[in-house]
Amino acid sequence: DAKTTQPNSMESNEEEPVHLPCNHSTISGTDYIHWYRQLPSQGPEYVIHGLTSNVNNRMASLAIAEDRKSSTLILHRATLRDAAVYYCILRPSFAYGNKLVFGAGTILRVKS
Amino acid sequence: DSGVTQTPKHLITATGQRVTLRCSPRSGDLSVYWYQQSLDQGLQFLIQYYNGEERAKGNILERFSAQQFPDLHSELNLSSLELGDSALYFCASSAADTQYFGPGTRLTVL
Repeated sequence: DAKTTQPNSMESNEEEPVHLPCNHSTISGTDYIHWYRQLPSQGPEYVIHGLTSNVNNRMASLAIAEDRKSSTLILHRATLRDAAVYYCILRPSFAYGNKLVFGAGTILRVKS
Repeated sequence: DSGVTQTPKHLITATGQRVTLRCSPRSGDLSVYWYQQSLDQGLQFLIQYYNGEERAKGNILERFSAQQFPDLHSELNLSSLELGDSALYFCASSAADTQYFGPGTRLTVL
């Protein structure tokens, strides 16, 4: 399984944008970049995923570097509810229905 | 609400005992996954079932087993429990690339 590297923790102020980085220098051409988050006392929750192009959805944006060796999850306006552990995960595109390999993730703290 | 349900929410038992955790996937999802989350190991994949058949195995101990029934619900059986089995156990289901996780079962082995 290809490895990702994320900062252990980050802090943000409420209502401000947050950029969560992820390095994946050994990514292969068939790997999708997935982001999940885990709020306190809950199961992980899907956030967003992409392959090459930047992606937007109602929760966040995903910016993928041109060489695909890194990506950034962008929360446009952090709220207290966004305080969670954020996981960046690589998943082969041919592995439909495959397992998720979780690393340690980034603990995001949001200050009011 | 992800649509995935797990019962029970909490389970407290003694070493050497056997327990069964239950998972109901989202309506229509054929794949069910089980994960274990402990403080020292993080979130680890245990096993996957697809439409009743075992599809993939991860770091699942021999004392643990699972099955998926014709109605697609799944059960994870943990036997000869040890203190180290205390953890959160999550079930997830998927129809495509996204996995939807249940709220988990917190198992405490005393």
